[in-house]
Amino acid sequence: ETGVTQSPTHLIKTRGQQVTLRCSSQSGHNTVSWYQQALGQGPQFIFQYYREEENGRGNFPPRFSGLQFPNYSSELNVNALELDDSALYLCASSRGGQGEQFFGPGTRLTVL
Amino acid sequence: AQRVTQPEKLLSVFKGAPVELKCNYSYSGSPELFWYVQYSRQRLQLLLRHISRESIKGFTADLNKGETSFHLKKPFAQEEDSAMYYCALRGAGGTSYGKLTFGQGTILTVHP
Repeated sequence: ETGVTQSPTHLIKTRGQQVTLRCSSQSGHNTVSWYQQALGQGPQFIFQYYREEENGRGNFPPRFSGLQFPNYSSELNVNALELDDSALYLCASSRGGQGEQFFGPGTRLTVL
Repeated sequence: AQRVTQPEKLLSVFKGAPVELKCNYSYSGSPELFWYVQYSRQRLQLLLRHISRESIKGFTADLNKGETSFHLKKPFAQEEDSAMYYCALRGAGGTSYGKLTFGQGTILTVHP
């Protein structure tokens, strides 16, 4: 069984730029959730995708958007990057919205 | 609104001593409660969930709805238990569907 993978591992952007982060879900999982983890904090829920539709959203502005593809992989897009967007971005996949969530290793984003 | 509080950022014990990691929550309905663990250089993984009522790696946690707590306990700590522990809550539905709300985490260090 292949686990959740994320790419890239880390990247550096400047304020105002746009970024796309990618997540491949675990085999057999149809749901992907995205979290932002700032330094010293617990993960914060951004949104969840189930069968290519957004299925729940946390308190993040519209410049955080996502996609899910027919193979259940997912992208997180962040526009107009701000310094406070610097964080570890985690994705988790599950069977359905209420299934156990399996986490990827994360993408470390630094905004300068 | 759902909220999870872990009052201790750091907890140190000696090997063989009992350990209790505290977690309090705020949620108006019937939540699902979880403990996640992150060992050094590893990804976040589920340790246990209240509905399964299992003991994993010697850890147990009981949901106390009266005190809105879900403390994690182990009678005899081992050095390999040293890790970051997160308590998390998931709501039953509506805007909470699929959303895990995490506490800030507790770093447990078990000394030899």
